[in-house]
Amino acid sequence: NAGVTQTPKFQVLKTGQSMTLQCAQDMNHNSMYWYRQDPGMGLRLIYYSASEGTTDKGEVPNGYNVSRLNKREFSLRLESAAPSQTSVYFCASIKESTEAFFGQGTRLTVV
Amino acid sequence: GQQLNQSPQSMFIQEGEDVSMNCTSSSIFNTWLWYKQDPGEGPVLLIALYKAGELTSNGRLTAQFGITRKDSFLNISASIPSDVGIYFCAGRLDSNYQLIWGAGTKLIIKP
Repeated sequence: NAGVTQTPKFQVLKTGQSMTLQCAQDMNHNSMYWYRQDPGMGLRLIYYSASEGTTDKGEVPNGYNVSRLNKREFSLRLESAAPSQTSVYFCASIKESTEAFFGQGTRLTVV
Repeated sequence: GQQLNQSPQSMFIQEGEDVSMNCTSSSIFNTWLWYKQDPGEGPVLLIALYKAGELTSNGRLTAQFGITRKDSFLNISASIPSDVGIYFCAGRLDSNYQLIWGAGTKLIIKP
């Protein structure tokens, strides 16, 4: 049972480049979330998907888009990366509105 | 937006000491979760609390859901080197299923 799998683990982008962060879960959870983590700021919610086919903005959605491809997969896209998007990105899936299970994170640097 | 105040921000302790950290909120939560994040990893759930007054243990860790439903604490007894990491609290509001996160408590054990 792999849990939540994120790819890639590390990425360096130039300002203006685009990329998609992939996330997949094998726990049959309905809800999936994307967070970013910056030093001293905890986890901030970017976008979430309460169920397949729905997505909603979180606390810091600007500069990002998401796609809930199916129940297993929830991707995060940066259309035009900016240095302010340098961060560690975590995908999580939620079990029945209770516990969140996290992937290992994607460490993104935008130069 | 909603906020959780987590304290202390960091702790320097000797191996074998007991540790205590807490989270408070101005909002009422129906769930409190405590997570630990090791360097380079995603947060991992330690303890989940679902009822006001609930006291739950997981090995040397004990957490309680405050009676007012606005606070929670985590205690670690007889700390060991592998306890090093960042501890996060998270609460879920009655009104929706989103998790609100504290900023984290960084635990450092002095050699």
